[in-house]
Amino acid sequence: DVKVTQSSRYLVKRTGEKVFLECVQDMDHENMFWYRQDPGLGLRLIYFSYDVKMKEKGDIPEGYSVSREKKERFSLILESASTNQTSMYLCASRTGMSEAFFGQGTRLTVV
Amino acid sequence: RKEVEQDPGPFNVPEGATVAFNCTYSNSASQSFFWYRQDCRKEPKLLMSVYSSGNEDGRFTAQLNRASQYISLLIRDSKLSDSATYLCVVNEGRDDKIIFGKGTRLHILP
Repeated sequence: DVKVTQSSRYLVKRTGEKVFLECVQDMDHENMFWYRQDPGLGLRLIYFSYDVKMKEKGDIPEGYSVSREKKERFSLILESASTNQTSMYLCASRTGMSEAFFGQGTRLTVV
Repeated sequence: RKEVEQDPGPFNVPEGATVAFNCTYSNSASQSFFWYRQDCRKEPKLLMSVYSSGNEDGRFTAQLNRASQYISLLIRDSKLSDSATYLCVVNEGRDDKIIFGKGTRLHILP
């Protein structure tokens, strides 16, 4: 079974803090994605990566950056957390044109 | 026009009934299509892929209409456990993004 693991299930951070969300997949997938999900807005793509050290902006990259130094790991960084970044963050991975597999999600609250 | 559009619902359907959802997509070059299911406060999980010829998995049938750029999901003999949000998903290319619809909420009523 494909496993996508996010480092934290719940996280509470203060405004202005630098926040790291980690995602690891164990199936050698080339593509990895970070989404955030908010009520009424659905899943919105923040960044994606199709290879090590490669990254592409999604629809809402502002306030975020990413890092992909190893194939299995894709990190999302909030440079200076703000309250409007309180959300559910979902990581996904896939290979080729296959379906995407999701991590369990990280519910981030910025206070 | 939004990239992937779904009726948000909710669809309130009695147990045992048949229910159908549609989803439209804007990019005619989109290459693969899926239906996902998401339960409250959980991650989305693959329900089924959607093939050009249409495909069936038990009570679930998915169809793709490339000419009109929509996909559909039919659920027969609905169960209480089918209550969830159903997400339409479109792959735009091998090294490209995947686009999610906002989802259709389904409530199966006893």
